Amino acid sequence: NAGVTQTPKFQVLKTGQSMTLQCAQDMNHEYMSWYRQDPGMGLRLIHYSVGAGITDQGEVPNGYNVSRSTTEDFPLRLLSAAPSQTSVYFCASRPTGESYQETQYFGPGTRLLVL
Amino acid sequence: QQQVKQSPQSLIVQKGGISIINCAYENTAFDYFPWYQQFPGKGPALLIAIRPDVSEKKEGRFTISFNKSAKQFSLHIMDSQPGDSATYFCAASYDRGSTLGRLYFGRGTQLTVWP
Repeated sequence: NAGVTQTPKFQVLKTGQSMTLQCAQDMNHEYMSWYRQDPGMGLRLIHYSVGAGITDQGEVPNGYNVSRSTTEDFPLRLLSAAPSQTSVYFCASRPTGESYQETQYFGPGTRLLVL
Repeated sequence: QQQVKQSPQSLIVQKGGISIINCAYENTAFDYFPWYQQFPGKGPALLIAIRPDVSEKKEGRFTISFNKSAKQFSLHIMDSQPGDSATYFCAASYDRGSTLGRLYFGRGTQLTVWP
């Protein structure tokens, strides 16, 4: 299993440009989510999905869009990049069962710089 | 409103010493409390987790202490090693079997262990 993969690893954008951060998992997990990590702010949830066709907002959704057409993929779209979106973005996935042995797996991250 | 409060923001410990990171929460519905470890340039990874029906869980040099009445939990790293230098996040969640079950993260503690 490759686990959770993210592309690209690094990206530089100009203000106003749009782009899509890719996330894929091969563990057949129903629950997928996107976080951004900023110094001193921890991990903040942007959007999440509990299955194909179902998405919902987290605590910092503005400026981002998501869709979930398959179980495996959960892309994050920046509609019009702003310098405030400079951050490290992590995708994560886990099963939605009730077992407390199930954990959330994180991808390696995408480092985004918006100029 | 931050659901999980974590302290300290940074911690410096001598090799062989004990590292202690504390977290507090308000929502009594939380029923799962994991700790994640993140090395530079990597995504967070589950380190250890606890349920509120036990007061302590130990895995090797890592121990979670849980105080349900005080709504606090802490991570203790015994015999701290330079390889433990990383950022540590506490988290909490509830309703894992439902469409909720999202993780609420603390802001992180950057641990440095000096040789």
